[in-house]
Amino acid sequence: AQSVAQPEDQVNVAEGNPLTVKCTYSVSGNPYLFWYVQYPNRGLQFLLKYITGDNLVKGSYGFEAEFNKSQTSFHLKKPSALVSDSALYFCAVREGPGGGNKLTFGTGTQLKVEL
Amino acid sequence: DTEVTQTPKHLVMGMTNKKSLKCEQHMGHRAMYWYKQKAKKPPELMFVYSYEKLSINESVPSRFSPECPNSSLLNLHLHALQPEDSALYLCASSQSNRGGVGNTIYFGEGSWLTVV
Repeated sequence: AQSVAQPEDQVNVAEGNPLTVKCTYSVSGNPYLFWYVQYPNRGLQFLLKYITGDNLVKGSYGFEAEFNKSQTSFHLKKPSALVSDSALYFCAVREGPGGGNKLTFGTGTQLKVEL
Repeated sequence: DTEVTQTPKHLVMGMTNKKSLKCEQHMGHRAMYWYKQKAKKPPELMFVYSYEKLSINESVPSRFSPECPNSSLLNLHLHALQPEDSALYLCASSQSNRGGVGNTIYFGEGSWLTVV
């Protein structure tokens, strides 16, 4: 069975400061990891994914995530937060390669960036 | 902007009505999905179509009936819904439903459904 934990329901950060949204995962094989963002009253937008290779993955809107196999983590980061980054962020995992394409989502983290 | 298009954006229906949600993608993807999402919660998988055939039904009540007329279109037919079915319904697509390296799932903007 695969699972994802997002330990923080909400993260508050001041504009211009770095932000981190935490995610830890559990899969029996190799993990394929994803981050999605959901702005108010919108669908989910794909931000970035880790499949293999470099542990630091760069994605849309200046976001990046670091895969850490020993800590089974895939934290989302951005060096300088913007008010417009305020949204709901979901981490997701599936087992790969060879597994099905059934994503398991975390419970989501609400990011609030304030002036 | 998403390349998965959903209509209508908002739908209000009575418990005896029959309505449909529609989804279209032009990315050449061969897998399409329906998810249900309650406010501030993660999406829950309902159905997966692979090459126009239903491959996964997550024990969804029969008042929800999916249909895949062709590889670009996905419908969700609604009948005799309950107020607790009110939610955001998200359509999504991917290259296939296998766990290939490039197999990212892309979501539409969703259809907000209110059952009264």
